[in-house]
Amino acid sequence: EIVLTQSPDFQSVTPKEKVTITCRASQSIGSSLHWYQQKPDQSPKLLIKYTSQSFSGVPSRFSGSGSGTDFTLTINSLEAEDAATYYCHQSSSFPFTFGPGTKVDIK
Amino acid sequence: EVQLLESGGGLVQPGGSLRLSCAASGFTFSSYAMSWVRQAPGKGLEWVSTFSVGGQIALYADSVKGRFTISRDTSSNKFYLQMNSLRAEDTAVYYCAKGSDTGGGYFDYWGQGTLVTVSS
Repeated sequence: EIVLTQSPDFQSVTPKEKVTITCRASQSIGSSLHWYQQKPDQSPKLLIKYTSQSFSGVPSRFSGSGSGTDFTLTINSLEAEDAATYYCHQSSSFPFTFGPGTKVDIK
Repeated sequence: EVQLLESGGGLVQPGGSLRLSCAASGFTFSSYAMSWVRQAPGKGLEWVSTFSVGGQIALYADSVKGRFTISRDTSSNKFYLQMNSLRAEDTAVYYCAKGSDTGGGYFDYWGQGTLVTVSS
């Protein structure tokens, strides 16, 4: 099973600040890494697929990068509505696995 | 517009059974992989099961293998999760999620979830 770790676990950020969340895989997963946003009491929403491809309708301030075992989700100029937990997910092999999540709070 | 609507959750005793349903609309159901993902209260996301594009292959997490079964009815655009021998650790919100047309991959649309509580 491929284990995904995320850092940080929690981040408190002021609006307009840049946020960087990292996801590390226990073995190489190529570019099969996706990012989701989950707000309280809502279902997850896809932000980025295959490392760097933005999903339809996602604001351009969200971007992804990386390959192999190290990946990054970047939120440029954070907005208040971005307060949420962010999860990475690998689909390189079954069982699919998710990272533990990074909670982003607005100061 | 893609919509996924889960139903069938509730309170069940340990050892009991429950069948979850996911009603899909807005896309050609048989052309996409479909999955179930769960989230225990206050916890992260856990992949449960995936039905491949075309429905020939069903895959399960080790934690549910032998107890859960996925199926689908393409005539009614519904996707199911039959859960048997339920345990307290199966307590979670269960989400139905649409996959890509190449199978597996990312989950681009999610339902609102249905809560399953396993308790005596």
